[in-house]
Amino acid sequence: DGGITQSPKYLFRKEGQNVTLSCEQNLNHDAMYWYRQDPGQGLRLIYYSQIVNDFQKGDIAEGYSVSREKKESFPLTVTSAQKNPTAFYLCASSTPATSGDQETQYFGPGTRLLVL
Amino acid sequence: RKEVEQDPGPFNVPEGATVAFNCTYSNSASQSFFWYRQDCRKEPKLLMSVYSSGNEDGRFTAQLNRASQYISLLIRDSKLSDSATYLCVVNPMDSSYKLIFGSGTRLLVRP
Repeated sequence: DGGITQSPKYLFRKEGQNVTLSCEQNLNHDAMYWYRQDPGQGLRLIYYSQIVNDFQKGDIAEGYSVSREKKESFPLTVTSAQKNPTAFYLCASSTPATSGDQETQYFGPGTRLLVL
Repeated sequence: RKEVEQDPGPFNVPEGATVAFNCTYSNSASQSFFWYRQDCRKEPKLLMSVYSSGNEDGRFTAQLNRASQYISLLIRDSKLSDSATYLCVVNPMDSSYKLIFGSGTRLLVRP
């Protein structure tokens, strides 16, 4: 089965701790994304990567870091600099738009991060 | 003004009802539009893309009105399983990567 996996499902962070969220896809998609969702709000883009070894900041990158060493993997680190990390984190991937089709993003199941 | 605006609801309707949601967007150059469905505490899942001529998928119909800058989603013969939050998503096309998500409209279908 092709898809996007995220782990862990729940993650607890202590004050001052860095934590890493995993995102893996076997869809052979070039582009991958990280979003954050807070209650009652839309998804906000943290980082995105359109190709291996390249990534760009999204709208709310402060306090986060990413790497893209492999096409299949796009881990997100929530650093201690992120002062309000409690949220639902969603990873997505997409295939480039082709003639007649729009580029569509597909999401993993998400990771809920809670600060202790 | 938010880039993508939706009525948060909830829309509370009986089974079998027809319900419609609207979503407005601010960037007139936007070219790609989508409706995603999100169940409670789950990831968003693509419901349907929205094409200029409008499109239908079973009980679901999506329309685009470029002049007024809104898209709509019509659900006919509502089922209990349609209860979810419906996210309006717009690609402003200033770059290929960025999707702008609305906050969602919550639908509750009651027996």
